[in-house]
Formats: sequence, structure tokens, C-alpha cells
Amino acid sequence: DAKTTQPNSMESNEEEPVHLPCNHSTISGTDYIHWYRQLPSQGPEYVIHGLTSNVNNRMASLAIAEDRKSSTLILHRATLRDAAVYYCILRGPGANSKLTFGKGITLSVRP
Amino acid sequence: DAGITQSPRHKVTETGTPVTLRCHQTENHRYMYWYRQDPGHGLRLIHYSYGVKDTDKGEVSDGYSVSRSKTEDFLLTLESATSSQTSVYFCAISESYRSSYNSPLHFGNGTRLTVT
Repeated sequence: DAKTTQPNSMESNEEEPVHLPCNHSTISGTDYIHWYRQLPSQGPEYVIHGLTSNVNNRMASLAIAEDRKSSTLILHRATLRDAAVYYCILRGPGANSKLTFGKGITLSVRP
Repeated sequence: DAGITQSPRHKVTETGTPVTLRCHQTENHRYMYWYRQDPGHGLRLIHYSYGVKDTDKGEVSDGYSVSRSKTEDFLLTLESATSSQTSVYFCAISESYRSSYNSPLHFGNGTRLTVT
């Protein structure tokens, strides 16, 4: 399975944009890039996913490099509630495809 | 929020006893997963199911078995619990779109299991 690499942690100030990077140099052409986050004492929560084009939803934006070897999750205005562990994951093709989570990046938000 | 219920939410059991965790969904999703989460390891896949009576192993399946007799229920059984199975267990579901890998996972709130 293709792997992802993320920094262990990042800090941000409240109400400022946050860019969370993810490297996936061994991504295959059919792998989707998924992002999840996990708040303390909760289950992971889906954030966004994409294949090639940049994606936007109410929670965040996903910017995917042209060669697809890296991506960036963008939180446009960080809030204290965004403090969480963010996971970047690749999901391959096939009916039995599954998601393998790494250790993620811990985002801290300063008031 | 996706209709996923995990039960029990908390359980303390003794080494050597059998334990069954239940995941119930009301979304009629095809795929169901069991993960465990431990400090320093992140989320690790135990078993998953891609349909009724269709299951497969994940990366940490030793000591665990699963069953899925109905679309809505996915059971995780520890035949003889050990202290190393103390963990938080999460169930997840995903839909079956035309391209299955395009569908996100939705997670339950977890079961905290302590084996003494």
C-alpha cells in the first residue's frame, strides 16, 4: 500500500489560515487522497478527499500537486475547535480497498 | 451524522474471558471496518467486511474474529482477551459507490476496552 508522510505537529493562530502538508510519493494513478481529523476523545471525522483536481467543501480545501506526489489540506480560518489530529490517507481501487491510517499530524491552535 | 452505534461504550474484563463488541449501522452501507487505536500507533485496521458474510483480515487481526450476518451489524470478538488488547476500538462504515474507493469512512464513537 502506498504510504503518506506528515509532520508530527504544527501550530497555528486562531482565525489564521492553516496549511497541513502531506507527501505521498508512491501514490498510484487510481489512489484517492483522503483527509480525516480526530478531536480528543472522539472517533475520526471525514474532512475531504480528491483524486487530481483541487476540492473545496464547507470544512476545508484540498490542494493536490500536479504530479500528485503531495497534497495540502487548507483550513481557511482556524478555530480552537480545529485543534485535532489530521490524517492524510490514500485509498486504492478495488471492492475491498481499505484505509490505512498513519500517525497523523497534531494541530494546535493558539487563541 | 452517520447512524453508527457501538456497544458497549466502555468495558472492563479479565484476561482469558471472551468479549464481543458490536457495531450497528442504520445507513445500509456495504463496507464495515474495525480499527483499534493505541498511543503511538495511530489507527490500525483489525478486520473489515465488504458484505454480509464477507470479511477479511486487516493488519492486526491476530486474536480477533468478526462476523457479519446482517448488513447492519458487524461483531468483533476477542476469543480470549489479553492485556495487549486493551485499547479503544472504532467501527467505521462506507458506502458502495460505483467506485468504492471514492467513498469516505464514517466512524462510531468508539468502545474503550480494558483487560485486567
